[in-house]
Amino acid sequence: GENVEQHPSTLSVQEGDSAVIKCTYSDSASNYFPWYKQELGKRPQLIIDIRSNVGEKKDQRIAVTLNKTAKHFSLHITETQPEDSAVYFCAARRSQGNLIFGKGTKLSVKP
Amino acid sequence: DADVTQTPRNRITKTGKRIMLECSQTKGHDRMYWYRQDPGLGLRLIYYSFDVKDINKGEISDGYSVSRQAQAKFSLSLESAIPNQTALYFCATSDNTETEAFFGQGTRLTVV
Repeated sequence: GENVEQHPSTLSVQEGDSAVIKCTYSDSASNYFPWYKQELGKRPQLIIDIRSNVGEKKDQRIAVTLNKTAKHFSLHITETQPEDSAVYFCAARRSQGNLIFGKGTKLSVKP
Repeated sequence: DADVTQTPRNRITKTGKRIMLECSQTKGHDRMYWYRQDPGLGLRLIYYSFDVKDINKGEISDGYSVSRQAQAKFSLSLESAIPNQTALYFCATSDNTETEAFFGQGTRLTVV
């Protein structure tokens, strides 16, 4: 079936370093790719998204890149801070309209 | 604030019992979803509904059923709960194919 692969499953960085999380998707008709952040005990919340007609999008310290040919997209967090520690999920919206999520990346930012 | 509300927030039930998880939203969205979250497995789609008369199975629908009682309400039922249905359940809503999904606070279900 359709799926979204996400790597790595855990990522530990020093405060101030950059963090990169990568995802691949299988449905070539997918056209919307959001990233969610889930803090401990809370609901997932959107941090950035990208649509298929755009190759890159930035929002302050967060950026997402999309390569439709290769069917992969990545989240980049620069100048990481302890409050960036959380689980991050990528997702792809299939042609039928429902979101399929990756398994998540637990990011730990060490002070 | 417009929101997505799940009830109950926590529930412990016994094997074989029927249980219903409820979701209501004030966002005016047509699309509603039920996801299940397990450690290391991410968010897996159970059922989704694009309007009141539309119900679709997701990745892991076996053992679950849903009811879309109104645009604002989408309930998930476990007809006969089993221990491996112990998980965190999230309801979510969205308004069309290219906008974000908004999640409820989650329901932590334990089946003993």
